[in-house]
Amino acid sequence: ILNVEQSPQSLHVQEGDSTNFTCSFPSSNFYALHWYRWETAKSPEALFVMTLNGDEKKKGRISATLNTKEGYSYLYIKGSQPEDSATYLCAAIRGSGNTGKLIFGQGTTLQVKP
Amino acid sequence: NAGVMQNPRHLVRRRGQEARLRCSPMKGHSHVYWYRQLPEEGLKFMVYLQKENIIDESGMPKERFSAEFPKEGPSILRIQQVVRGDSAAYFCASSPMGADHEKLFFGSGTQLSVL
Repeated sequence: ILNVEQSPQSLHVQEGDSTNFTCSFPSSNFYALHWYRWETAKSPEALFVMTLNGDEKKKGRISATLNTKEGYSYLYIKGSQPEDSATYLCAAIRGSGNTGKLIFGQGTTLQVKP
Repeated sequence: NAGVMQNPRHLVRRRGQEARLRCSPMKGHSHVYWYRQLPEEGLKFMVYLQKENIIDESGMPKERFSAEFPKEGPSILRIQQVVRGDSAAYFCASSPMGADHEKLFFGSGTQLSVL
């Protein structure tokens, strides 16, 4: 069984603060890692898909890194804004041929106070 | 370009009734995935379908649940003889090519409540 763990469970920061969250997963038979952003009453929106050890991806003020050998990924938000408030989900795919069979963590809920 | 459309948004059923949840993928996407989120839990994979084919149903309960994605029309997740434990949010996602490294595009979900 592949368990994906995210920490912290929730986070409150002030506008302008930079923040980061952790996603950990068993490194054996790793195939891909996804990050999604999920605002209340909306649908999860893909941020990044990463497959290679050492991968770094960036989208505006949000970036992510991947370490497949030790089984973790970090998501960074630089200069948080109130519109960044959402739940951030990571999900792993184990082994090839498991298309769409994402194993999700419980998420980190971020609240950014103006 | 409309996103993934799910309906209904909310569905209330009494125990023993049938629930039908519909999902229209994004235009040009032929791969559909269903996920379920039980209360206080994360999203859990249920089934992966292509047009007219079930590719992976390893996450589907063995009884009462079925899914289809016909040549024409939306994908349907069908739950027969619903029980209270089926109350959950059901999400559909789609992707264009079914490749392992593709992002999934999610719908807004159907909240099923069983009385």
